[in-house]
Amino acid sequence: DAGVIQSPRHEVTEMGQEVTLRCKPISGHDYLFWYRQTMMRGLELLIYFNNNVPIDDSGMPEDRFSAKMPNASFSTLKIQPSEPRDSAVYFCASLQGPNEKLFFGSGTQLSVL
Amino acid sequence: SQQGEEDPQALSIQEGENATMNCSYKTSINNLQWYRQNSGRGLVHLILIRSNEREKHSGRLRVTLDTSKKSSSLLITASRAADTASYFCATDVSNDYKLSFGAGTTVTVRA
Repeated sequence: DAGVIQSPRHEVTEMGQEVTLRCKPISGHDYLFWYRQTMMRGLELLIYFNNNVPIDDSGMPEDRFSAKMPNASFSTLKIQPSEPRDSAVYFCASLQGPNEKLFFGSGTQLSVL
Repeated sequence: SQQGEEDPQALSIQEGENATMNCSYKTSINNLQWYRQNSGRGLVHLILIRSNEREKHSGRLRVTLDTSKKSSSLLITASRAADTASYFCATDVSNDYKLSFGAGTTVTVRA
């Protein structure tokens, strides 16, 4: 298995631009999570899905952030418009319930100038 | 907000020595997990301990859990250069797979 696949690996954009991060979970996993990692705040859970349905989006910082999971093999996290304070590493992770072990992707390093 | 806090923030040891790091948390948990993150990579699951367990082993890893003190420790024995990484504890409070991660302990193993 290729593991959780995220793209792009690095994204540099200018303030005000739309950013779309992509994730392909491990096949057969029914939960998908989006985390954000910064030096100041550590790892924060933004949103998670179960069977493609958003379960908890209380960690999404603002309305500028949105996430979708149109099918079991694909999810996107969109920031529109982006701001410099959104600069962080964004991780996607998946798991297959009831096994609690999370599998992480390699992350997307986002820099908003 | 972070549920778990690791201590120390950073640790430097010689190859072959043991490394111990601690995690304290604030509320009752269902389970506690430890993850490793190598520089520039995603987190990798190491071990899970449930609230009714006190100790677990996996290879060179030993995890303890003291629910009365709301704390856990991770011991890496006979450390190797490849153990150089950041280690995070993560707690599951509401048995819904939502993990809250601590700030991590950065371990450097010197050859």
